[in-house]
Amino acid sequence: SAVISQKPSRDICQRGTSLTIQCQVDSQVTMMFWYRQQPGQSLTLIATANQGSEATYESGFVIDKFPISRPNLTFSTLTVSNMSPEDSSIYLCSVEGRGDTEAFFGQGTRLTVV
Amino acid sequence: GNSVTQMEGPVTLSEEAFLTINCTYTATGYPSLFWYVQYPGEGLQLLLKATKADDKGSNKGFEATYRKETTSFHLEKGSVQVSDSAVYFCALRSGSRLTFGEGTQLTVNP
Repeated sequence: SAVISQKPSRDICQRGTSLTIQCQVDSQVTMMFWYRQQPGQSLTLIATANQGSEATYESGFVIDKFPISRPNLTFSTLTVSNMSPEDSSIYLCSVEGRGDTEAFFGQGTRLTVV
Repeated sequence: GNSVTQMEGPVTLSEEAFLTINCTYTATGYPSLFWYVQYPGEGLQLLLKATKADDKGSNKGFEATYRKETTSFHLEKGSVQVSDSAVYFCALRSGSRLTFGEGTQLTVNP
């Protein structure tokens, strides 16, 4: 299994500002995933982050809006840039378990943009 | 592409009632199937999984059987408790990608 620490757990931000979310894993992992969960909705994959290369973004998500860093095998950050109220969501990071097929999730960052 | 369809919610039950949350999927190949649970204010936790046809995943009284012939993975529990109130997500994995259903909000009243 993997233990994921994500912070901040929640924040209220002014529109036009940026927020960086951190994700720390207790073991080395190849891929880390960032999801968005809009209110009352399911999870949507934003991007996949591999160490040493640029993140791979899903359709509808761009690097300028959601820049991602992956400096080592246990850490990643997601920045939500130039925020608007439509960015109010829960953001979750996730990793795959070694040798398993399941995914592990951080507790999420509940973002409210006012 | 892959997709997961869950029964529409929300679902409201009385304590000790029987629970079924339907899940069907569309996928190429042989995906692994999962149920995740999200308690209020928390992230997702794996509830159970099944990696091949006819496998039954079980945990905390919940069960689901991987039915390839009907492409289904319905979640069941014989007697729900108030503490089971949460959002339940059905998901499949094909390769490195996870695809989630819409989620079903379950509320159990005492």
